[in-house]
Order: sequence, then C-alpha cells, then structure tokens
Amino acid sequence: RKEVEQDPGPFNVPEGATVAFNCTYSNSASQSFFWYRQDCRKEPKLLMSVYSSGNEDGRFTAQLNRASQYISLLIRDSKLSDSATYLCVVRANYGGSQGNLIFGKGTKLSVKP
Amino acid sequence: DTAVSQTPKYLVTQMGNDKSIKCEQNLGHDTMYWYKQDSKKFLKIMFSYNNKELIINETVPNRFSPKSPDKAHLNLHINSLELGDSAVYFCASSQESGYGYTFGSGTRLTVV
Repeated sequence: RKEVEQDPGPFNVPEGATVAFNCTYSNSASQSFFWYRQDCRKEPKLLMSVYSSGNEDGRFTAQLNRASQYISLLIRDSKLSDSATYLCVVRANYGGSQGNLIFGKGTKLSVKP
Repeated sequence: DTAVSQTPKYLVTQMGNDKSIKCEQNLGHDTMYWYKQDSKKFLKIMFSYNNKELIINETVPNRFSPKSPDKAHLNLHINSLELGDSAVYFCASSQESGYGYTFGSGTRLTVV
C-alpha cells in the first residue's frame, strides 16, 4: 500500500461548483498533514495545514479523520484560478525520515467557465 | 529576494555526462532536501540533509550524490546520466522540525 493515496482525477467542474478531494495515509503514527497546490510547471506551495478539529480558510475546508486515516479538502464556489493539482501531504515522523514530506500523486482540478 | 533558489532552471544533456544542480536557501533553515518529480508527476524524496545527518532514500541510485559546502547550500551531483533521470528536481528547506517547508522553483533535466 502506498504511504499516501489520492483520488487520481482529473476533476473537471464548472465555476461556482463545490468539489471534494479525498486522501488516505498508511502510517497511523503520522502527526502532521497538509494540502499543497502545484500549478503547471511550478513548485508545490502550501495551501493549508490540516488539523484534527478540521479547519477552514475562506472557500477551503480541510478535515482529518485519524481513526480512518483519511484527509479531505473541500473547495466551495470554485474559481478559474483554482485550476491546479492538489497534493495530499503527510509529514514523516519515524526514524531517519523525521521531517520529510511524503506526497500523494495529486489530483488535477480544472475549473471551466 | 528568493528564499530557495536553484540553478539551472533547465538542463539538457547527453547520456553518460556528469552534471550538477545547485541549491541555496537564505531562510536560515537547518535542513535541506532534494525531491524528484517524474513524468507521472509523482514527487518523491531523494535526500534530506542537516548539519548532523544525511538520509538517503534507498531507491536512489548511487550515481546521485548530494554535496553540502555549508548550511545554506545543498548541491546535487549526478554521474553517468541516463534517460530515466529526466525529471524535474526540486530543492527544499525547512526548520529542523520539518516546519516551514519551502521549495525552490525546480530544475527541469532532460537527458537525450
């Protein structure tokens, strides 16, 4: 089983739609979780951290379910500028990998007019 | 004033050559990393390095070697380049705890 698995996408949605991405992780001892955004031919950039209680940043809501080892990202009222690849990321906290970010393969989102 | 800078941005080279990619960070971070993003867009850690320890991903061929002249630099040297080495290589840095992760803009390596 891969360490971080995501919906492969692509997701093609109209402007204004609500879209949800899901992710599962294999290491139950993982403590830190993130969503990154990567635009075409650019570096990944932090979108938001994911906290156990769930957290919201404007149109974006992230949730974590530790029991199911499941992370989600909800985008409301999609904008054209939201088109990108969304990467589910877990920070390793075991052995020599302390601090390393482990990335899912990403889910591509295309928002159409 | 770029936080993590990589050079070159693009690198096209022939099989069998040896090449280096440079990375510098001005964030005062303790740890630096190299990641490889292949044609399927999968980002995978290659190395992490701080002033105490180099951690090598066991899947990385020994043709790849990181070199750190000081805390702010982590260069990647590749010997005997192969077609399969074509990818985008990202440098990153973070505080020792793993927080404050910042990526460079990437080096697109094409081996012909």
